[in-house]
Amino acid sequence: QKEVEQDPGPLSVPEGAIVSLNCTYSNSAFQYFMWYRQYSRKGPELLMYTYSSGNKEDGRFTAQVDKSSKYISLFIRDSQPSDSATYLCAMRETGGFKTIFGAGTRLFVKA
Amino acid sequence: DVKVTQSSRYLVKRTGEKVFLECVQDMDHENMFWYRQDPGLGLRLIYFSYDVKMKEKGDIPEGYSVSREKKERFSLILESASTNQTSMYLCASSSPMTGYGYTFGSGTRLTVV
Repeated sequence: QKEVEQDPGPLSVPEGAIVSLNCTYSNSAFQYFMWYRQYSRKGPELLMYTYSSGNKEDGRFTAQVDKSSKYISLFIRDSQPSDSATYLCAMRETGGFKTIFGAGTRLFVKA
Repeated sequence: DVKVTQSSRYLVKRTGEKVFLECVQDMDHENMFWYRQDPGLGLRLIYFSYDVKMKEKGDIPEGYSVSREKKERFSLILESASTNQTSMYLCASSSPMTGYGYTFGSGTRLTVV
């Protein structure tokens, strides 16, 4: 079993839709949770990071962490064609150097 | 604008060649990483370094080595390139100041023929 599971998609939505991207994990020691966005032929860029449980909002993006269920989510409101990319979840233990990445979900937002 | 710069975007090498991939960061980050990214397999850690001249094996170090002589530069070396090393290689750096979130380079697409 992989430490981090993420549905690869692709996920196709119309412009303006609310998008929900999710990951599950098995290591209860993970404390830092991150979402990266990767456009085609580019390196991933850090979108959001959260420490421990709870919600974090940044503009149209909301990250949620439910440690009791070992489940994290990224919500995108009012999705735009420019949001079309691969979204990778990532997580890390406190004090650890290694970050574990999900395989990424490919998102298409149609105009 | 902070940056991680990888020396080549695209590279084609022959089987058996020694290949050097260079990565430079201008953020004074302590930690640097090399990943490879393959469809269906995601990002896999090859090596990382948390200080100058320090290196640690990641999950798939076989066939690779690294060098970190200066804080800003982290090099990945393919000792004898093989076709199964054809991949996208991504360098990243991080710091406690950023919650250890990574800044990635644009990647090097390496093809071994």
